[in-house]
Amino acid sequence: GAGVSQTPSNKVTEKGKYVELRCDPISGHTALYWYRQSLGQGPEFLIYFQGTGAADDSGLPNDRFFAVRPEGSVSTLKIQRTERGDSAVYLCASSRTGYNEQFFGPGTRLTVL
Amino acid sequence: AQKITQTQPGMFVQEKEAVTLDCTYDTSDPSYGLFWYKQPSSGEMIFLIYQGSYDQQNATEGRYSLNFQKARKSANLVISASQLGDSAMYFCAMRELMNYGGSQGNLIFGKGTKLSVKP
Repeated sequence: GAGVSQTPSNKVTEKGKYVELRCDPISGHTALYWYRQSLGQGPEFLIYFQGTGAADDSGLPNDRFFAVRPEGSVSTLKIQRTERGDSAVYLCASSRTGYNEQFFGPGTRLTVL
Repeated sequence: AQKITQTQPGMFVQEKEAVTLDCTYDTSDPSYGLFWYKQPSSGEMIFLIYQGSYDQQNATEGRYSLNFQKARKSANLVISASQLGDSAMYFCAMRELMNYGGSQGNLIFGKGTKLSVKP
């Protein structure tokens, strides 16, 4: 079956611009996670959705970052007033209730010039 | 304090030999899960193996086994009979279960170990 998909695969933007990153989880997976991976580091947690609601948004670095999952499936990570420090690979993962494994998407590489 | 520590930035192993990748963790949660993921140069994160804190036996999945030493808070990954395709970054991760219970909740990752398999 289809895995987790993320679009776009690459996004280049200018400092101060607004960006949206999309994640399409595996069908039937109720849990969805956003992580950010900087060069040479492991992924860092941003936000976790259970269904439509954000169960934990403690990893969002500041109020420029926001994410939604209005119908409990696709999620969008929104970054306002982008800064050069936001440059990273943004990873999305989903998992099924009762199962430990998180399935990751290929990521979106964001570059802020 | 770091919750997941991987002290080996890079490792080399000869093809067909076994290799151990180190991971130590820090948590006060009595219930937690430990994971290993592989990240090839293509960037995708591939799940390898899972160990629950209350599991009595070490987890195994094919050529992968997890050497779980609870008292030492270590969860080393052992790869047997290394193959050229094993060359990748390997990440150890932990999920603390106290907040959510069950199987959900975010992962805390280490910085990774880059494994290179020599022919």
